Amino acid sequence: GQSLEQPSEVTAVEGAIVQINCTYQTSGFYGLSWYQQHDGGAPTFLSYNALDGLEETGRFSSFLSRSDSYGYLLLQELQMKDSASYFCALDSNYQLIWGAGTKLIIKP
Amino acid sequence: GAVVSQHPSRVICKSGTSVKIECRSLDFQATTMFWYRQFPKQSLMLMATSNEGSKATYEQGVEKDKFLINHASLTLSTLTVTSAHPEDSSFYICSARDPRAGSFYQETQYFGPGTRLLVL
Repeated sequence: GQSLEQPSEVTAVEGAIVQINCTYQTSGFYGLSWYQQHDGGAPTFLSYNALDGLEETGRFSSFLSRSDSYGYLLLQELQMKDSASYFCALDSNYQLIWGAGTKLIIKP
Repeated sequence: GAVVSQHPSRVICKSGTSVKIECRSLDFQATTMFWYRQFPKQSLMLMATSNEGSKATYEQGVEKDKFLINHASLTLSTLTVTSAHPEDSSFYICSARDPRAGSFYQETQYFGPGTRLLVL
């Protein structure tokens, strides 16, 4: 089967940098996506890695290593509004297989 | 990004009644829409994949007779929770695949704002 693991909770300080890791098990996939979800809201798309390496989108970057079955989301210059849950998801056969989500807590 | 709307945003109903939730892609044609359910502090659980003009594909454990899905047009899919019970109370979210997004194999889904269902 396919599964993803990510930490349930991460705490960081405003202005700092935080990395949210995601490890996965799969027999094949097209890419790894990251979504952000604020409490009470729907997920919003952040980033997608089809190839190994780093993808940068403003303050957010995402990394994928297929050989290590590992990816991460890097958030820089943290702002209080970044407090949310972050999900990694495998793009597999036209479906998204979701991780359990990481709650990011930001302290002033 | 693409816009997906969902209606209603919140609904409270009595046990035994049916509730219909609409999901619309506003600025693109979505041949495929997805319905998710999310319980508090948990991940999204895919319920079914809805393809325009054909029957929905339900995930294991999801009762197709209880959760009726209709995808009658390229911009509208509906989920009807029939004979709702308190355990059906949840956050229901639809998403749509935008065929214009990224390369052909990239799965980018755009989500509706969600519908919070409370069954009393």
